[in-house]
Amino acid sequence: EMQLVESGGGLVQPGGSLTLSCEASGFAFSGYWMHWVRQVPGKGLAWVSRIDNEGTSTSHADSVKGRFTISRDNAKNTLYLEMNSLRAEDTAVYYCARVGGGGKRYDSGKYYFYYYMDVWGKGTTVTVSS
Amino acid sequence: SSELTQDPAVSVALGQTVRITCRGSPLRNNYATWYQQRPGQAPRLVIYGKNNRPSGIPDRFSGSTSGNTASLTITGAQAVDEADYYCNSRDNSGNHLGAFGGGTRLTVL
Repeated sequence: EMQLVESGGGLVQPGGSLTLSCEASGFAFSGYWMHWVRQVPGKGLAWVSRIDNEGTSTSHADSVKGRFTISRDNAKNTLYLEMNSLRAEDTAVYYCARVGGGGKRYDSGKYYFYYYMDVWGKGTTVTVSS
Repeated sequence: SSELTQDPAVSVALGQTVRITCRGSPLRNNYATWYQQRPGQAPRLVIYGKNNRPSGIPDRFSGSTSGNTASLTITGAQAVDEADYYCNSRDNSGNHLGAFGGGTRLTVL
């Protein structure tokens, strides 16, 4: 069974740091791009970061750029999110998710691109509060 | 504000058809991916690409796109379909899956 299990969440003071982990099992982790997505309680989903399968290309949302760093250790089948200078607005459930695939399709005279996250963890809660 | 816009809430009578829409400029050349999220659970993929369902998703779920609008249609809605639905696409900065809609709460009456 394909599975992602997040850990590392907890209560941290504003300005503090925390590192989240996401352990993968049941699939060849090193072959897949990965994302972090967060959700403020009672609110919608928000993309945080993504990393390619080798760990050489990363991208972060503007709201976390310069404060959060995504990384991975393929030998340990683990994805990480290092979070620094935490703010109250970073309080959320953090999910890791696998990019199952994607591509492009010629349709109605033009190309359309698509990607999808097909395996999600159950999430870990980060609370930033004094 | 989000690059993708969804209606906050939609309701449907049991067994009827409902369409949930997602609008935004990224959808002019990117298909929307749709996720279902039940209370207390992680999101679950329901539609990707032009109109593809992962294994285990009932065929009453379908997707379509026109212009800058993507739609998720549930034909013959069931009580178990009551959930939040999110669209997701590449954002205007080029980040794969970087844009999420605000979500639509579906109530099955």
